[in-house]
Amino acid sequence: KNQVEQSPQSLIILEGKNCTLQCNYTVSPFSNLRWYKQDTGRGPVSLTIMTFSENTKSNGRYTATLDADTKQSSLHITASQLSDSASYICVVSRREYSTLTFGKGTMLLVSP
Amino acid sequence: EAQVTQNPRYLITVTGKKLTVTCSQNMNHEYMSWYRQDPGLGLRQIYYSMNVEVTDKGDVPEGYKVSRKEKRNFPLILESPSPNQTSLYFCASSLAPGKGSYEQYFGPGTRLTVT
Repeated sequence: KNQVEQSPQSLIILEGKNCTLQCNYTVSPFSNLRWYKQDTGRGPVSLTIMTFSENTKSNGRYTATLDADTKQSSLHITASQLSDSASYICVVSRREYSTLTFGKGTMLLVSP
Repeated sequence: EAQVTQNPRYLITVTGKKLTVTCSQNMNHEYMSWYRQDPGLGLRQIYYSMNVEVTDKGDVPEGYKVSRKEKRNFPLILESPSPNQTSLYFCASSLAPGKGSYEQYFGPGTRLTVT
């Protein structure tokens, strides 16, 4: 069964600290993995998209890594800001298919 | 400005009263999709469309209909809404997935309450 599991479910960190969110997937055949940021009540916004051959991709203070062999990805947030408080969703696309499999997200709260 | 728009943004209705949520994109995207988001369940795909007149079921299609008569529009139809369809709905669009790693753009969401 194609699944995407994220951990932790929720996380509270102090402003300025770093954190890492995890994503494990069983989706096959793999096409690409995306990380989205979703503010409460708003639509998700793409942070990174990585294909099979990409190990790491950065977008400002966000750095995503991908290990296609172990089917694991992580999203590292550096020097967190209050505006980073949001849900972070991992999404995996199957090759040559039109559907995306979504994780349930990690809710991050950055505290002053 | 490139965007996906949805209307209405908020809707309260009663059981059994047909409703339509509109979705429109101005990016000439082939692929459009509808999702619902519920607490603890994440985003789940309802229907998607690869192009005009081509639609297919996602993970939770029961109780919903869609149509794709024009490339830019992808309305979601609830013929007889029920309380279990109370949810936050998102429309999204992208270039054709499966053929590349194209970014998917989401609309602002429609919060539907069925009483």
